Amino acid sequence: ILNVEQSPQSLHVQEGDSTNFTCSFPSSNFYALHWYRWETAKSPKALFVMTLNGDEKKKGRISATLNTKEGYSYLYIKGSQPEDSATYLCASAVGVGSSNTGKLIFGQGTTLQVKP
Amino acid sequence: DGGITQSPKYLFRKEGQNVTLSCEQNLNHDAMYWYRQDPGQGLRLIYYSQIVNDFQKGDIAEGYSVSREKKESFPLTVTSAQKNPTAFYLCASSRGTFSQPQHFGDGTRLSIL
Repeated sequence: ILNVEQSPQSLHVQEGDSTNFTCSFPSSNFYALHWYRWETAKSPKALFVMTLNGDEKKKGRISATLNTKEGYSYLYIKGSQPEDSATYLCASAVGVGSSNTGKLIFGQGTTLQVKP
Repeated sequence: DGGITQSPKYLFRKEGQNVTLSCEQNLNHDAMYWYRQDPGQGLRLIYYSQIVNDFQKGDIAEGYSVSREKKESFPLTVTSAQKNPTAFYLCASSRGTFSQPQHFGDGTRLSIL
């Protein structure tokens, strides 16, 4: 089983602070890296799907970068707001043969708490 | 609205009993997945299906069974062989390729009586 590691496990910041988390994944046989946001009492929602080395994606105050050669992705939140409080999950895709379909292996998540 | 519906939200199982968790999607997605979450752990894959009438074991399939008779439906049965079934179960669907995100239901929390 692949190991996808996220750090830190939890984070507490003040409103307005910028923050970032790390997702580490095996760099061999890379297919894609997914980021999800999971708010309490809701279902996980996709933030980004990244497939190319050097990819950078942005959605509002949240952005992500990808380094497939060294096997890591960073998620950045600029000017954190209380509504950003959630668990952020990353997942690495594991292919079946040479197919681009298969399964995701999830990290354990980073839980962010933003204090007003 | 399109989405994934899981039912029930809470489920209780007696010792030695099989229970079935429902997952229905109206997104016309080909692929569907079942995950289990335990405290302090990430989502772990139980079973997945890329197409109707076909499914594959995930990383923790022992004690579980699934069927995929219709594109919209992917029920999960937790059998009596699953010795530690208490957990939160999430169903997801996607268009199937890795470049497509997964869409999740709201989950079912299963507890042992």
